[in-house]
Amino acid sequence: DAKTTQPNSMESNEEEPVHLPCNHSTISGTDYIHWYRQLPSQGPEYVIHGLTSNVNNRMASLAIAEDRKSSTLILHRATLRDAAVYYCILRSTNAGKSTFGDGTTLTVKP
Amino acid sequence: DAGITQSPRHKVTETGTPVTLRCHQTENHRYMYWYRQDPGHGLRLIHYSYGVKDTDKGEVSDGYSVSRSKTEDFLLTLESATSSQTSVYFCAISPRGTNEKLFFGSGTQLSVL
Repeated sequence: DAKTTQPNSMESNEEEPVHLPCNHSTISGTDYIHWYRQLPSQGPEYVIHGLTSNVNNRMASLAIAEDRKSSTLILHRATLRDAAVYYCILRSTNAGKSTFGDGTTLTVKP
Repeated sequence: DAGITQSPRHKVTETGTPVTLRCHQTENHRYMYWYRQDPGHGLRLIHYSYGVKDTDKGEVSDGYSVSRSKTEDFLLTLESATSSQTSVYFCAISPRGTNEKLFFGSGTQLSVL
């Protein structure tokens, strides 16, 4: 299964943009890049996903490198409620298994 | 929020006893998954199902079995619980394809003493 690599932790100031990186150098053509976040004592929550093109939704933007070996989740204006563990995972059309790494713990400072 | 209910929410049991966790969905989604999460770590896939009576192993399936007799229910059984199976267990569902987004339940905290 293709793996992802993320920094263990990042910090941001409130109301500033946050760029969370993810490396997936062994990504295959059928792998979609997904991002989830997990607040304390809760299940993970879907944030965004994409295949090749950059994607935007009400929560965040996803920038995908041209070679697809890396991606960046962009939170445009961080709030205190965005403090969470963020997971980048790959989901394939031909495999049921998705591997979660340890994610990035985002701390947002007021 | 996706209609996913995990039961029980908390359970304490003794080593060697059987335990069954239930995941119930009201979304009629095809795929269902069981993950475990240990403190400070990400989620690890135990088993998943791609339809009624169709299941497959994940990365940490030893000591666990699953069953799916109806679309809406996915059961996870620990035949003989061990202390190493103390964890938080999350159920997830996804609609049609393995590339689609996952919706997670609220989790079951299992303590094996």
